[in-house]
Amino acid sequence: KAGVTQTPRYLIKTRGQQVTLSCSPISGHRSVSWYQQTPGQGLQFLFEYFSETQRNKGNFPGRFSGRQFSNSRSEMNVSTLELGDSALYLCASSLVGTAAGNYGYTFGSGTRLTVV
Amino acid sequence: KQEVTQIPAALSVPEGENLVLNCSFTDSAIYNLQWFRQDPGKGLTSLLLIQSSQREQTSGRLNASLDKSSGRSTLYIAASQPGDSATYLCAVRTGGGADGLTFGKGTHLIIQP
Repeated sequence: KAGVTQTPRYLIKTRGQQVTLSCSPISGHRSVSWYQQTPGQGLQFLFEYFSETQRNKGNFPGRFSGRQFSNSRSEMNVSTLELGDSALYLCASSLVGTAAGNYGYTFGSGTRLTVV
Repeated sequence: KQEVTQIPAALSVPEGENLVLNCSFTDSAIYNLQWFRQDPGKGLTSLLLIQSSQREQTSGRLNASLDKSSGRSTLYIAASQPGDSATYLCAVRTGGGADGLTFGKGTHLIIQP
């Protein structure tokens, strides 16, 4: 059974550019959520999508956005990149969304974004 | 707002020892608690998931307990091995789930051969 797939694995971008990250969840999983991991702040929740709708959003500026497609694949976009956006971005999938609550998450290997 | 704390931040023990990692959370209205391990530069691997109605879960040499009323969970690792070296993360899914999973900062574990 394939796991959560994130592409690309590594990215180097320049300040001011924008970037799009992709996540393919485990087959049958309809909930996809995104997290940012930095040495200083640890893992922080960005947003969660379920059935193509954003269900929850963390405390991040509007430069961070996402979407989910009908096949449950999700993309995350960061516009006007800043040096502080350098981080490991992790995607996680779950069988159902927040309302059910009782399912665990499976994480992908992440995308390492470096902003120079 | 849910906050998760993990103690200790780092731990180094000789191979073969049994050890306990601690996790505490401030809001006891959780759906579940999940323990993960993370190897350097990699994603998260789920170890154990405990529902709010459960007291413990076991998988091989790992045992996780949950005391929801006191806001505490422990991860017990028996007969530690060098391959257990990693960062261990505790995460809770709080009722309402508005903030997704809330993570602790992790315990960086080194098992000395």
